[in-house]
Amino acid sequence: QKEVEQNSGPLSVPEGAIASLNCTYSDRGSQSFFWYRQYSGKSPELIMFIYSNGDKEDGRFTAQLNKASQYVSLLIRDSQPSDSATYLCAVNPGFQKLVFGTGTRLLVSP
Amino acid sequence: GAVVSQHPSRVICKSGTSVKIECRSLDFQATTMFWYRQFPKQSLMLMATSNEGSKATYEQGVEKDKFLINHASLTLSTLTVTSAHPEDSSFYICSAPFQGDYGYTFGSGTRLTVV
Repeated sequence: QKEVEQNSGPLSVPEGAIASLNCTYSDRGSQSFFWYRQYSGKSPELIMFIYSNGDKEDGRFTAQLNKASQYVSLLIRDSQPSDSATYLCAVNPGFQKLVFGTGTRLLVSP
Repeated sequence: GAVVSQHPSRVICKSGTSVKIECRSLDFQATTMFWYRQFPKQSLMLMATSNEGSKATYEQGVEKDKFLINHASLTLSTLTVTSAHPEDSSFYICSAPFQGDYGYTFGSGTRLTVV
């Protein structure tokens, strides 16, 4: 079993819709959870991090964490074509390391 | 704040030669630097962790003699790919934590092509 699992996609949504990205992780001791956006050929850029159960909102983005289910999600409201990218879920199992999922490719069509 | 500058952004080298990649923390002290490798359409795979003033810790399956990591100061970590082969062609990215477990900043990446 992979440590961090994501559906590779692509996830296709029309402009203005809500995109829902999901991630599960295997290490119950994981402390913090991150969502990164990566454009092709570029380095990842941080969108949000979350470490407590529940929701965390930042602008159009909402991260949701359920530690009992070992599940993290990212909702993107009012999706824009510029949101088209690969979204990487990353988990910190401790010791400041990050373990990345394989990423979900999001396509937002105009 | 918390910027990591990575150079070069792209490099093409011949098989058998060595290539050095540098990551500098510009506005904070990076006591730890993580080095990742990413093959096309795959995720980031942690190669090694470098700590200032001590030996790097390599992940399982990563050859320490091939991927030399030096972290001689609080602002500079380097990765040298020695005796490069075409299969070493990849996207190499460094990352440093800057807010404990809650903040990681990434370099812009180095696209290595070995011909």
